[in-house]
Amino acid sequence: DSGVTQTPKHLITATGQRVTLRCSPRSGDLSVYWYQQSLDQGLQFLIQYYNGEERAKGNILERFSAQQFPDLHSELNLSSLELGDSALYFCASSFWGTGNTIYFGEGSWLTVV
Amino acid sequence: KNEVEQSPQNLTAQEGEFITINCSYSVGISALHWLQQHPGGGIVSLFMLSSGKKKHGRLIATINIQEKHSSLHITASHPRDSAVYICAVDNTDKLIFGTGTRLQVFP
Repeated sequence: DSGVTQTPKHLITATGQRVTLRCSPRSGDLSVYWYQQSLDQGLQFLIQYYNGEERAKGNILERFSAQQFPDLHSELNLSSLELGDSALYFCASSFWGTGNTIYFGEGSWLTVV
Repeated sequence: KNEVEQSPQNLTAQEGEFITINCSYSVGISALHWLQQHPGGGIVSLFMLSSGKKKHGRLIATINIQEKHSSLHITASHPRDSAVYICAVDNTDKLIFGTGTRLQVFP
């Protein structure tokens, strides 16, 4: 158990819809990361938050947004969903940054139909 | 060309064999991570290193910064080592991932 909690574990939704993925980081970790893993593109970095502030941005689509709340949990919002958004979305956390050990959640499987 | 290349893509071994997975990268990095992804999807961090060598149990990771290359070794492999092994480099606070090496160890 990494200590990182992600919900929901599985989600099936229709194209055009909006979903929210939730992540609670490991106790004491200030950084939260979101990653997308699809069959054709592998693991890709989406976005990082540190202590409530956006710190680094990767290949995150404009239809996607995220935030980190004062209690350090984070949400990833995916809107106007397309079939190609079907993927496994991972949340991860670390104490400070990517120079620390990164702990991954179990992932949220999103299927867009 | 990908910024992080792993080889081989697939690897099969008999229990007890010594295994090496390689990772080469073309960008500047501050650290390199080796990750293990189990068939169920979960990802576990095995090593984070910025120089030299680290060992944990039967796993050894090395990195050569000058040559931009890292290796993950598994000694005395076991069927429970069957997983996908992913190399990820830390490039200005962003992890760039390799495509992974799928390892199957047979009894």
